[in-house]
Amino acid sequence: EVQLLESGGGLVQPGGSLRLSCVASGFTFRTYAMSWVRQAPGKGLEWVSGIRGGGDSTYYADSVKGRFTISRDYSKNTLYLQMNSLRAEDTAVYYCAKEGEIRYGLNYFDYWGQGTLVTVSS
Amino acid sequence: QSALTQPASVSGSPGQSITISCTGTSSDVGLYKYVSWYQQHPGKAPKLMIYDVSNRPSGVSNRFSGSKSDNTASLTISGLQAEDEADYYCSSYTNAVTLVFGGGTKLTVL
Repeated sequence: EVQLLESGGGLVQPGGSLRLSCVASGFTFRTYAMSWVRQAPGKGLEWVSGIRGGGDSTYYADSVKGRFTISRDYSKNTLYLQMNSLRAEDTAVYYCAKEGEIRYGLNYFDYWGQGTLVTVSS
Repeated sequence: QSALTQPASVSGSPGQSITISCTGTSSDVGLYKYVSWYQQHPGKAPKLMIYDVSNRPSGVSNRFSGSKSDNTASLTISGLQAEDEADYYCSSYTNAVTLVFGGGTKLTVL
């Protein structure tokens, strides 16, 4: 059974940093691309960042480029999102999501975690 | 990258059919067959309903179907049921090597 478990969310001041983690199980972690998708309170979904199975390619939305860094640790089956220079508009529930097919880097997500809430406020 | 355009809300009675549109551009929906649809109930994670425009994952009811014409994709739900009431989001791959979601559509089953 595929499981994705996020952690690391919390309250942080504007300009601060936070690192999110997503522990994956139930599938061969290194063969699938992974992404982070966020949802601001009462708002829609926004794709944030993605990384290919081999970690050789990373992708970012313009809204986070230069501030966020996605990475993965194969020994721990864990996906990360390092978030720096946080802003109020980064406040959201952050979901990690598994790509649906091995051949894709960014297409569709067949499994999602339960999400972790990040609140940026002074 | 601008969000794809979806109607804010749609409604229908049990047993009826509804269609949710998702309009993009020639840089995303119009260029690729990589459109997917997600269902999200309140407080829950999204669930994949349709991928690659018209494919249904295993376990998703055949009452859900997808299509695309030019820059607009559509999700049709036939035989509406109470449990279909949820938010629905479309998504597309873009030529900027990113993904873009629609703004979401709230489906109300009357």
